[in-house]
Amino acid sequence: ETGVTQSPTHLIKTRGQQVTLRCSSQSGHNTVSWYQQALGQGPQFIFQYYREEENGRGNFPPRFSGLQFPNYSSELNVNALELDDSALYLCASSQASYGYTFGSGTRLTVV
Amino acid sequence: EDQVTQSPEALRLQEGESSSLNCSYTVSGLRGLFWYRQDPGKGPEFLFTLYSAGEEKEKERLKATLTKKESFLHITAPKPEDSATYLCAVFTQGGSEKLVFGKGTKLTVNP
Repeated sequence: ETGVTQSPTHLIKTRGQQVTLRCSSQSGHNTVSWYQQALGQGPQFIFQYYREEENGRGNFPPRFSGLQFPNYSSELNVNALELDDSALYLCASSQASYGYTFGSGTRLTVV
Repeated sequence: EDQVTQSPEALRLQEGESSSLNCSYTVSGLRGLFWYRQDPGKGPEFLFTLYSAGEEKEKERLKATLTKKESFLHITAPKPEDSATYLCAVFTQGGSEKLVFGKGTKLTVNP
């Protein structure tokens, strides 16, 4: 049974650019969530996808968007990057409402 | 609004010195409380889920307990490899299905 894998592990982007982060869910998990973790803070919920539909969103602007594919892998897209978007982005997958498994994250630095 | 507060923010222990971490929460309806361990630059690693007041779970040197307003993570005779940030999160009945995290407690165990 594979875990949650995220790519890339590290990324440096310039303010104003766009970025796409990728996540492969754990086998058998049909729900994927994305979280943003700033340095020294707990993870903050961005949004969740269930069977390719967004079914929950946190307090993040529309320039944060996502996709879930039929194989339950997922993407997080961020447009018009700002310096404050620098953070660790975490993907979590689950089958039911419990048992969230997190990936190792993508460290995004915006300069 | 659902809130999770963890204390202390940081804790330094000597190897073998037992202690407890606190997680207090204010939620509209608790469906579960999670404890995670996070090493620097990594994703959260699942430790425990607690569902109802009075429930306890143990794993090696860790024991988690839950009351109606807070949870404790007890660490017995810690070792240097227990050094990490410990995150508490609640899964609630209201609004989107999501985890609401505290900021974590950074534990350092000195040899």
